Amino acid sequence: QVQLVESGGGVVQPGRSLRLSCAASGSTFSGHGMHWVRQAPGKGLEWVALISYDGSNKYYADSVKGRFTISRDNSKNILDLQMNSLRVEDTAVYYCARFTGDDSSGFFDYWGQGTLVTVSS
Amino acid sequence: QSALTQPASVSGSPGQSITISCTGTSSDVGNYDLISWYQHHPGKAPKLMIYEGSKRPSGVSNRFSGSKSGDTASLTISGLQAEDEGNYYCCSYAGSTTWVFGGGTKLTVL
Repeated sequence: QVQLVESGGGVVQPGRSLRLSCAASGSTFSGHGMHWVRQAPGKGLEWVALISYDGSNKYYADSVKGRFTISRDNSKNILDLQMNSLRVEDTAVYYCARFTGDDSSGFFDYWGQGTLVTVSS
Repeated sequence: QSALTQPASVSGSPGQSITISCTGTSSDVGNYDLISWYQHHPGKAPKLMIYEGSKRPSGVSNRFSGSKSGDTASLTISGLQAEDEGNYYCCSYAGSTTWVFGGGTKLTVL
């Protein structure tokens, strides 16, 4: 059974940085693209970023482009999200999700339980 | 991209059928047969219920079905059961390697 466990959330001041991690187990991590999806309080889900199975391609939502960096270490089955210049509107539960399919067609077949990031002064 | 539009809430009695709509545009829902649906209970991991518009993953009840017409996708749950309660989100590929989700629908089984 695939398991994804996020960590690294917490309370941070606007303008500061935070790094989230997602530890994967139970499947061939390196065979799948991985995404970050977030959910602000009382809101729906919002796609954040994608990294291809080998880390060669990265894509971002306009709302985080230039501030967030997605990366992965296939030797350790770890997915990361480096979040810089955080804004109050980045406050959300952040989920990592495994993607099955190619970079443009597919679906999120496994998700973690999320880690809460609160940006507040 | 703007979020896909879903009703905030739907409800039904056990045994009944309900349908949750998901309305997008010709740039997302209307342009791709890449709609997926997720069930989410707060504090838990979202669960894939439907992919590629109408396909069910292994282990998902055949009471769940998906369809699409134009810019609107739909999730139908037949024979409602108490365990179906939760929040449901649609998702569509939106081109240029981006995805867009719906605002979510809270399903209540009366």
